[in-house]
Amino acid sequence: NAGVTQTPKFQVLKTGQSMTLQCAQDMNHNSMYWYRQDPGMGLRLIYYSASEGTTDKGEVPNGYNVSRLNKREFSLRLESAAPSQTSVYFCASSETQKLFFGSGTQLSVL
Amino acid sequence: GENVEQHPSTLSVQEGDSAVIKCTYSDSASNYFPWYKQELGKRPQLIIDIRSNVGEKKDQRIAVTLNKTAKHFSLHITETQPEDSAVYFCAPPTGRRALTFGSGTRLQVQP
Repeated sequence: NAGVTQTPKFQVLKTGQSMTLQCAQDMNHNSMYWYRQDPGMGLRLIYYSASEGTTDKGEVPNGYNVSRLNKREFSLRLESAAPSQTSVYFCASSETQKLFFGSGTQLSVL
Repeated sequence: GENVEQHPSTLSVQEGDSAVIKCTYSDSASNYFPWYKQELGKRPQLIIDIRSNVGEKKDQRIAVTLNKTAKHFSLHITETQPEDSAVYFCAPPTGRRALTFGSGTRLQVQP
């Protein structure tokens, strides 16, 4: 039982490049989330998916897209990366409002 | 996070002392009040939570108290230890069906 698995753990992009952050959970949770955490800051919600087939915007959705591929997987895509998207990205899943986080992806955009 | 305020932003205590962190929220419909702990370089982890039909919940050295009238809930850590040093986040639900995190409190326990 791995919980929430995120890949990659580290990534460096040049401005304008695109990439997809992958997230998978094996706890059979309905809800999944993407948060970003800037240095010394709290977590801000980018997008969430309350159930398979649905996605909703969070506090800071601009510049991102998501796909709830199936119940297990929820991916986050940056179409044209910008330096302001340099951050640590956490995926999480939940069933009863208790969040379980992945280990995070440290993304740097140069 | 939106409509969620957490105080203090930093807190330094001596080992063995108590620490209290307060979270103020605005959504009257909130019925779930969790606290997360994030150690340096690690993922956030849930340490304690409370539902709105309960005023207080304890788990060993940590406790959460809820004041729905004043719209705030607090994390209490007694007999603090160096391993309690971390950033603590409250995360009450807001209008969305997702948690909104406070800005965090950096707790430093001095040995």
